[in-house]
Amino acid sequence: SQTIHQWPATLVQPVGSPLSLECTVEGTSNPNLYWYRQAAGRGLQLLFYSVGIGQISSEVPQNLSASRPQDRQFILSSKKLLLSDSGFYLCAWSGGQGMWDGYTFGSGTRLTVV
Amino acid sequence: GNSVTQMEGPVTLSEEAFLTINCTYTATGYPSLFWYVQYPGEGLQLLLKATKADDKGSNKGFEATYRKETTSFHLEKGSVQVSDSAVYFCALSDRPGGYNKLIFGAGTRLAVHP
Repeated sequence: SQTIHQWPATLVQPVGSPLSLECTVEGTSNPNLYWYRQAAGRGLQLLFYSVGIGQISSEVPQNLSASRPQDRQFILSSKKLLLSDSGFYLCAWSGGQGMWDGYTFGSGTRLTVV
Repeated sequence: GNSVTQMEGPVTLSEEAFLTINCTYTATGYPSLFWYVQYPGEGLQLLLKATKADDKGSNKGFEATYRKETTSFHLEKGSVQVSDSAVYFCALSDRPGGYNKLIFGAGTRLAVHP
């Protein structure tokens, strides 16, 4: 069966420090991968999606970047965190073309920038 | 563009009360519709889905019917429990540029009291 792992679960980082969040998927190949952010008390904002290795699309301009160095690995990064980067970050995967059945989400990373 | 509108929360109910959370959508074509649930501190879990008009999705006592004529996918449960307290997200599938994407509503917080 397919599983998705996301870490760390919680993170407290000072303003101006770098960030690296990692997400890996097991039990499937060539998944579509997504990073979402959920600000406190608000809905879900799609940040990045990827349909293959090295293929990253950004939905909104921001202080963050994403990379996909391997088929089942998706990384969210920042060189210098801002206070406004605080939030709950969720990774998700879905099947590629012809395998669409909604998303499966990871358990999330709560990031607090202080 | 495609969008989802959910009723604002929080919704506060007593245990065993009837639940309705309204969801309406705007979309071209024939999207699939989903309800996701987020328990405190966790990622989102798929609750139920419907892929075509008049389909009824159901799970854990929750139901929602895909109504094309009213562009709605309201979530219902006949008797809620304290353990149902969570945030519920309605979503529709979209396929811009050839990749699968979910568009989420803002979420509705449900609080059930004993």
